[in-house]
Amino acid sequence: DVKVTQSSRYLVKRTGEKVFLECVQDMDHENMFWYRQDPGLGLRLIYFSYDVKMKEKGDIPEGYSVSREKKERFSLILESASTNQTSMYLCASSDTGREGSYEQYFGPGTRLTVT
Amino acid sequence: GENVEQHPSTLSVQEGDSAVIKCTYSDSASNYFPWYKQELGKRPQLIIDIRSNVGEKKDQRIAVTLNKTAKHFSLHITETQPEDSAVYFCARLDSSYKLIFGSGTRLLVRP
Repeated sequence: DVKVTQSSRYLVKRTGEKVFLECVQDMDHENMFWYRQDPGLGLRLIYFSYDVKMKEKGDIPEGYSVSREKKERFSLILESASTNQTSMYLCASSDTGREGSYEQYFGPGTRLTVT
Repeated sequence: GENVEQHPSTLSVQEGDSAVIKCTYSDSASNYFPWYKQELGKRPQLIIDIRSNVGEKKDQRIAVTLNKTAKHFSLHITETQPEDSAVYFCARLDSSYKLIFGSGTRLLVRP
């Protein structure tokens, strides 16, 4: 089974703090994604990566950055946390679409509260 | 990316009835449409998907239909059970191989 893990289930940070959210997958997937989930807004893509040291902006990248130094690990960084970044953050990974598979496997999520 | 519109946002049905959730899109190049289910407190998981070369796909009590001309696709759940209660997300694959998700439908199946 594919396993995607995230470093924390719950996190409380203060405004202005630097926040690191870590995601690790164990299936040798090339693609990794970071989403935020807010009620009524669905899953919105923040950043994604198709390969090591590669990153692409998603639909809402402002206030975030990412790092992918190793294939299995994709980190989301909030340089200076703000209250409007309070949300559920979901990481996902997928294969390249070989054999027609585009399924994304999600981590359990990190509920971040910024006070 | 171009949005996917999903309706309704909430749906309440009696156990045993059918539930239908509909999504529309505008990018005619889309050719892969998955549906994810997220139970309360859990991660989203793929339950069914459809590609543009077919019009319908079934897996036990769930089915997905696709109308490429009209640019809409729907999830059908028959004989609903309480364990079907969850949030359902439709999505489309864009030209960069990203998934563009709908805003979700909260389905409640009343016993």
